[in-house]
Amino acid sequence: GAGVSQTPSNKVTEKGKYVELRCDPISGHTALYWYRQSLGQGPEFLIYFQGTGAADDSGLPNDRFFAVRPEGSVSTLKIQRTERGDSAVYLCASSPGGGDTEAFFGQGTRLTVV
Amino acid sequence: AQTVTQSQPEMSVQEAETVTLSCTYDTSESNYYLFWYKQPPSRQMILVIRQEAYKQQNATENRFSVNFQKAAKSFSLKISDSQLGDTAMYFCAFMKQVGGATNKLIFGTGTLLAVQP
Repeated sequence: GAGVSQTPSNKVTEKGKYVELRCDPISGHTALYWYRQSLGQGPEFLIYFQGTGAADDSGLPNDRFFAVRPEGSVSTLKIQRTERGDSAVYLCASSPGGGDTEAFFGQGTRLTVV
Repeated sequence: AQTVTQSQPEMSVQEAETVTLSCTYDTSESNYYLFWYKQPPSRQMILVIRQEAYKQQNATENRFSVNFQKAAKSFSLKISDSQLGDTAMYFCAFMKQVGGATNKLIFGTGTLLAVQP
């Protein structure tokens, strides 16, 4: 695709439920990032993939959050036992990797936990 | 740990005028990159301009330029000839340089810029 695609655009779920958020990066981009943006705040780093492996998962807040990228392209962010505090916009970004520092962002998934 | 501070929650400017958005950062790293991203209501973050810390010359991109003061750890964005389409949230961001690889971004809390007709 032409850009980073995130689905769904909006997701409303009940407290305690499980959700999956999907990110399709730009074709050929080896680096993929997940960020969480709470209302009125800047994005906060969650996890970074280089290829299929998580190169840095230091931003994941707890063990309810997990992300995969099994084939080095599409990534899924998984949240178990959702809490109201998980409500935020989840942004995905990809970059070519190597020495190119520009990250291309998707439009995010707005998650609302009720 | 690195931190990025944007002390102006909101700014307003008249169309065609010039505005400067402030950003300071704290790091012990010597090699890094600095960025300004724009986030319109569509939520998609768009790169406005970037600066390599090792370069003394300030980056410019058309109407956008930066004033990079490495010793003061300051990185302000100047928008000249402001246009209505510049209305958006602007985020300053820091990236540590790790070999030749890309790395995570550390963002500030943002400045909401409103361009008035």
